[in-house]
Amino acid sequence: DIVMTQSPDSLAVSLGERATINCKSSQSVLWSSNNKNYLAWYQQKPGQPPKLLFYWASTRESGVPDRFSASGSETDFTLTISSLQAADVAIYYCQEYYTMAHTFGGGTKVEIK
Amino acid sequence: EVQVVESGGDLVQPGGSLRLSCAASGFTFSTYWMTWVRQAPGKGLEWVANIKHDGSEKYYVDSVKGRFTISRDNARNSLYLELNSLRADDSAIYYCARVGRDSQYGYFDYWGRGTLVTVSS
Repeated sequence: DIVMTQSPDSLAVSLGERATINCKSSQSVLWSSNNKNYLAWYQQKPGQPPKLLFYWASTRESGVPDRFSASGSETDFTLTISSLQAADVAIYYCQEYYTMAHTFGGGTKVEIK
Repeated sequence: EVQVVESGGDLVQPGGSLRLSCAASGFTFSTYWMTWVRQAPGKGLEWVANIKHDGSEKYYVDSVKGRFTISRDNARNSLYLELNSLRADDSAIYYCARVGRDSQYGYFDYWGRGTLVTVSS
């Protein structure tokens, strides 16, 4: 199975500052036949279900604020919040859907400094 | 508005059984793959099972194969998960979610609020 490793485990960022979350997969999630990375990002606020933010590594889901961006390819991916808002306090997960295991990363907790 | 609502979670003894349900609305249920994902208390997310829109293909995480069964009733816009031979490490919130593309390899675009399964004597 693919192992998805997120870093850091947690980070505290001041309001209005940038937050960057990394996700590394143990093998490439780039499907050569369609040149798409099978990687999604989710946000989970306390007491709520996960919410899809990005799929295909960088395609923003409808309604997601544009202060959120995502990038990367093959094995290395990044989720960036350009200007952290109080509403962004949450745990963020990456997930591969390249294999049937649909493995999630361990999560990164984002808090306000 | 797309909605999925889970039910059926409960406290059950080790070795026991449970049937979870997920009622879907706001989309054409019969044309989407659906999935179950679980989250142990205070832990991360684990995919459990997928089912094709017509029920003809089903996939499971290794740890539940032979114990859990995913099914659906498109006439009732409902998804199910039958849990048997339950163990303490099956204790989790079980989320029903829609798969956002027509494939067993997909991201999950709409999630329910989950239903809690606790396995304990």
